[in-house]
Amino acid sequence: AQTVTQSQPEMSVQEAETVTLSCTYDTSESDYYLFWYKQPPSRQMILVIRQEAYKQQNATENRFSVNFQKAAKSFSLKISDSQLGDAAMYFCAYSAYQKVTFGIGTKLQVIP
Amino acid sequence: ETGVTQTPRHLVMGMTNKKSLKCEQHLGHNAMYWYKQSAKKPLELMFVYNFKEQTENNSVPSRFSPECPNSSHLFLHLHTLQPEDSALYLCASSQEVREKGETQYFGPGTRLLVL
Repeated sequence: AQTVTQSQPEMSVQEAETVTLSCTYDTSESDYYLFWYKQPPSRQMILVIRQEAYKQQNATENRFSVNFQKAAKSFSLKISDSQLGDAAMYFCAYSAYQKVTFGIGTKLQVIP
Repeated sequence: ETGVTQTPRHLVMGMTNKKSLKCEQHLGHNAMYWYKQSAKKPLELMFVYNFKEQTENNSVPSRFSPECPNSSHLFLHLHTLQPEDSALYLCASSQEVREKGETQYFGPGTRLLVL
């Protein structure tokens, strides 16, 4: 079974600084997708960024970028120029064969 | 309204009560999902519907009963719940259930407390 591990239960970052959230996963598949979802305190989870395993180029969405290391099965999220609105739970997720597996999340605190 | 909505947002019920959670999506999607979110645990997928047909029942106890009358609406009927069922219940939708890569759109959740 696929597993997704987020080893940092909580992280904090100073406003305007950069923070990296880590995620590792276990799979024997070669074709899959990886996601980062954000769940702010209001609880509506939204997609932050999505990466296809076959694409070598790391996905980027404005201030959010990933470092995808397929061989190491690592998928970290970098948030640049952190803003107060980035404070949330961040979930890493893996998708293959109609199943999505989520990690337990990392709570990100942004310090003004 | 846009996106995925869920009602009620909060629910307190006794173990002998019967209640229902409602989810509605306004995105024109064909797949809908129920998840259970508990503190310090990964999201647990409960049920999946694709084009109104149930395609996944992730060994969920029968005290949870889903219903999907059409692609826009999803219900979770609750009966004789246990205190350990207290959690945040999230509904999500996606275009359809494909092999992989589907982005899911989540509702705000229903916070359930079972006394």
